[in-house]
Amino acid sequence: AQTVTQSQPEMSVQEAETVTLSCTYDTSESDYYLFWYKQPPSRQMILVIRQEAYKQQNATENRFSVNFQKAAKSFSLKISDSQLGDAAMYFCAYRIQIQGAQKLVFGQGTRLTINP
Amino acid sequence: NAGVMQNPRHLVRRRGQEARLRCSPMKGHSHVYWYRQLPEEGLKFMVYLQKENIIDESGMPKERFSAEFPKEGPSILRIQQVVRGDSAAYFCASSPGAQRGYEQYFGPGTRLTVT
Repeated sequence: AQTVTQSQPEMSVQEAETVTLSCTYDTSESDYYLFWYKQPPSRQMILVIRQEAYKQQNATENRFSVNFQKAAKSFSLKISDSQLGDAAMYFCAYRIQIQGAQKLVFGQGTRLTINP
Repeated sequence: NAGVMQNPRHLVRRRGQEARLRCSPMKGHSHVYWYRQLPEEGLKFMVYLQKENIIDESGMPKERFSAEFPKEGPSILRIQQVVRGDSAAYFCASSPGAQRGYEQYFGPGTRLTVT
């Protein structure tokens, strides 16, 4: 069974600093996607960034980037120049790429606090 | 293009009552997923449906829970005889297909409170 583990229940960072959120996963599959979702107090799930397992290049979206280590099954999220609006729960998620098996498997989440 | 719609946003039911949660996918999306989020936890997959078909219900509790996605109208998640442990946020997501690259877009969720 696929599992996703986020070992940091809470993290905090000073505004404008950089923070890294950790995520590890367990799978025997070779073709899959990895995601980071943000859940602000409104509870809306917002896709931050995604990584395809067959791509070696780490994904980047503006201030958000990932460090994807496939052999180590590690997928960390780096937020640069942290802003107050980045405060939220962050969930790492995995999705196998098989027809009919599209479910997302989520980690437990990391609550990120931004200190002004 | 409107996003995924869920209603109601908040639902309060007494123990033993039925809860019906509705999800209207984005226009052009024929795949719907339901997830449940218990307090202070991540989302857990419940069921994956295409129009008129249940594709994967491996996350659905065996009793009291059912889901449908009819040819016309929204997808419905139905919980019969609710208990306090059913209190959670229920999220629906939709996608246009199951092929590589298709994302799941989430609705705002329905927060169910059982008193």
